[in-house]
Amino acid sequence: DTAVSQTPKYLVTQMGNDKSIKCEQNLGHDTMYWYKQDSKKFLKIMFSYNNKELIINETVPNRFSPKSPDKAHLNLHINSLELGDSAVYFCASSQWTGELFFGEGSRLTVL
Amino acid sequence: LAKTTQPISMDSYEGQEVNITCSHNNIATNDYITWYQQFPSQGPRFIIQGYKTKVTNEVASLFIPADRKSSTLSLPRVSLSDTAVYYCLVGAYSGGGADGLTFGKGTHLIIQP
Repeated sequence: DTAVSQTPKYLVTQMGNDKSIKCEQNLGHDTMYWYKQDSKKFLKIMFSYNNKELIINETVPNRFSPKSPDKAHLNLHINSLELGDSAVYFCASSQWTGELFFGEGSRLTVL
Repeated sequence: LAKTTQPISMDSYEGQEVNITCSHNNIATNDYITWYQQFPSQGPRFIIQGYKTKVTNEVASLFIPADRKSSTLSLPRVSLSDTAVYYCLVGAYSGGGADGLTFGKGTHLIIQP
């Protein structure tokens, strides 16, 4: 059983397009996150949701819009994709212990 | 900004004990110290977490001095498969905001035969 699953794993698209990445966790956690890891391997937090409520938004452009339909799902929609959006996007979840459980990542390539 | 400082890279050999130190001079009273391991093309994976003194699990030990301004991850008898990037995070369990969820550059550990 995959604890945190993301789809798609790979995404190649043209500049200006809109794309979505989906994330689901079956751990029963209340908190979910989106991270971005760029080519320099810096892993930066983008968003955090707790029980469907946005609690962290780290100065991410408005083109990025997270949506949490329920506490087991956190999707990321990106409008008007730019070259600089190329990265690996990781979804994660956690409970009160603070331990983060990460998905396998979604590699986005913008051409 | 990340609250931690780690060496960018380290080399060692199979069978050796490896110690990776993380500096966190501004650690707060409510902060815990957590270490993660990341292999290429995978998400980070939790290794160990501690608050003070020493914590040991089946894969590693974590040493935290009394002032908690640093911590050392100890990997006993490493193997080639321990080659990975190791991240140290400092933050509160909840309410700590983004700082406690910010990964630094990590330490790229390379194990040679």
